[in-house]
Amino acid sequence: GAVVSQHPSRVICKSGTSVKIECRSLDFQATTMFWYRQFPKQSLMLMATSNEGSKATYEQGVEKDKFLINHASLTLSTLTVTSAHPEDSSFYICSARGLAGSTDTQYFGPGTRLTVL
Amino acid sequence: AQSVTQPDIHITVSEGASLELRCNYSYGATPYLFWYVQSPGQGLQLLLKYFSGDTLVQGIKGFEAEFKRSQSSFNLRKPSVHWSDAAEYFCAVGGRLNDYKLSFGAGTTVTVRA
Repeated sequence: GAVVSQHPSRVICKSGTSVKIECRSLDFQATTMFWYRQFPKQSLMLMATSNEGSKATYEQGVEKDKFLINHASLTLSTLTVTSAHPEDSSFYICSARGLAGSTDTQYFGPGTRLTVL
Repeated sequence: AQSVTQPDIHITVSEGASLELRCNYSYGATPYLFWYVQSPGQGLQLLLKYFSGDTLVQGIKGFEAEFKRSQSSFNLRKPSVHWSDAAEYFCAVGGRLNDYKLSFGAGTTVTVRA
């Protein structure tokens, strides 16, 4: 139980285009989803918190107009990187917290590797 | 503010030997503590967690961790490592004070030699 999926696993795009990443909780309802960014050989940096049916809360320094988050249902959250630039290249990981036995535990997706050319 | 320190950036251990990864945290109340493992290019897998109760917690893959409030520590241990334990290990702290947002340590890379 408590499986979280992400799609796509890898994406390469041209500078200036937008990319959408999906995060799904497969076997539980996620009241909250989190989006992280991880640079090579570094730890995870929380970008935003997404609650179903409400606006996402962004961490300091994260541009909300660049990283659009939608949490349309209890099993799906999306992150759209708008007007992507090479510096947006990174590993993006989502996690979900919900009713899978414990509301206090985050379960992580496998991550999405974004490369912007 | 909440934070986690993992003092060891890289640890090399022989297969079959014991492993201990250190984690120190800062949190303004009773913390929720987690250990996650990450293989290259993969997401994070939960190894174990501590919320309350017995301070020695057992996790998956033969790992255990001990919560020591007096030392603000939550060290991870495994009696005998396997080559498949080579990975990146992250300690994290969270709780009600910050709406369960997690703060991660910098991670410890574990290399297992034959």
